Amino acid sequence: NAGVTQTPKFQVLKTGQSMTLQCAQDMNHNSMYWYRQDPGMGLRLIYYSASEGTTDKGEVPNGYNVSRLNKREFSLRLESAAPSQTSVYFCASSITAGNTGELFFGEGSRLTVL
Amino acid sequence: KQEVTQIPAALSVPEGENLVLNCSFTDSAIYNLQWFRQDPGKGLTSLLLIQSSQREQTSGRLNASLDKSSGRSTLYIAASQPGDSATYLCAVRGLGETSGSRLTFGEGTQLTVNP
Repeated sequence: NAGVTQTPKFQVLKTGQSMTLQCAQDMNHNSMYWYRQDPGMGLRLIYYSASEGTTDKGEVPNGYNVSRLNKREFSLRLESAAPSQTSVYFCASSITAGNTGELFFGEGSRLTVL
Repeated sequence: KQEVTQIPAALSVPEGENLVLNCSFTDSAIYNLQWFRQDPGKGLTSLLLIQSSQREQTSGRLNASLDKSSGRSTLYIAASQPGDSATYLCAVRGLGETSGSRLTFGEGTQLTVNP
């Protein structure tokens, strides 16, 4: 049982380039999330999808777009990467977005923007 | 706005010691609190989830307690082992989060257990 799988694990971009981070979960969860983790800032929510077909902004959505492709997959796109987007990105999922939802995380995607 | 604080930021103990990690939050109106473990270069692994109606949860050598009124949670690790070395994070889900989607994370306590 793979849980939450993210690709790629590492990526280096130049300023202005675009890329998509992929996330898939095999736990039949309804809700999926994208976080970024930065030293001194902790984990911050970028976007989430409470259920298939819906997406909403989190705390730091600027510069990102998301797509909930189907129940299993939730992608994060950087249209024009900036050095401030250098970070570790985590995808997570939960059974529902409700108040009892325990979160399960992927192993992260480490992005460097030069 | 909910704020979550974990003190100390780092802790080093000898193997076999019992230890307590602390998590405090500013808004006591929460749905639940979750403790995670993060190994270097890895994702977060869920350890324990405590609902607002619960006082504690146990899993093996781990015991997490919750005191909503004082805005505090503790993670107790019994008989620590070098394999427990990791960063431990707590996260709270607030009652004000109507979508139920948002957690507020602390920055974690980096634990080192020395052989």
